[in-house]
Amino acid sequence: DSGVTQTPKHLITATGQRVTLRCSPRSGDLSVYWYQQSLDQGLQFLIQYYNGEERAKGNILERFSAQQFPDLHSELNLSSLELGDSALYFCASSPGLYYEQYFGPGTRLTVT
Amino acid sequence: GQQVMQIPQYQHVQEGEDFTTYCNSSTTLSNIQWYKQRPGGHPVFLIQLVKSGEVKKQKRLTFQFGEAKKNSSLHITATQTTDVGTYFCAGPDTGNQFYFGTGTSLTVIP
Repeated sequence: DSGVTQTPKHLITATGQRVTLRCSPRSGDLSVYWYQQSLDQGLQFLIQYYNGEERAKGNILERFSAQQFPDLHSELNLSSLELGDSALYFCASSPGLYYEQYFGPGTRLTVT
Repeated sequence: GQQVMQIPQYQHVQEGEDFTTYCNSSTTLSNIQWYKQRPGGHPVFLIQLVKSGEVKKQKRLTFQFGEAKKNSSLHITATQTTDVGTYFCAGPDTGNQFYFGTGTSLTVIP
């Protein structure tokens, strides 16, 4: 158990809908990362927050947004969902910048 | 754009054989991290190397960071079935952008 929690574990929704994925980092970790992993694909970095502020942005679509709250938990919002958005979404946390990351169990999103 | 490529993409070895995966970045990385993802699981941090030319060992695993901080390797001696999984290298560039490598999937045949 990495200490990072993600909810929900599974999510099935229809095209055009909007969903919110939630992540609670390990106690004391200030940085949160979001990744997308499609079937048999690598990890695509989406976005990073550090102590409430956006720190780095990767290949995140405009339909996706995220934020980190004062209690350091983070949410990833996915809107106008398309079939191609079906994937495993991982959240990871780290003590600070450039440190090792601890991954949550992921949220499996299925768009039908 | 920035890329972090790993070769090979897939590797099948007999149990007891050695295994190496190579990681190559198009730009300089501040550090290199290695992760292992078991089938159906999430990536798990293995190690971090920071210095140019650094070599670290963890039991049967040897990690190396290149002199130019653009490449790295992971070598496993005498593979075991517990080594099965996908190995990813990863690291931040000087602009804080974090990159994961394309991964090498290791299958160990008993």
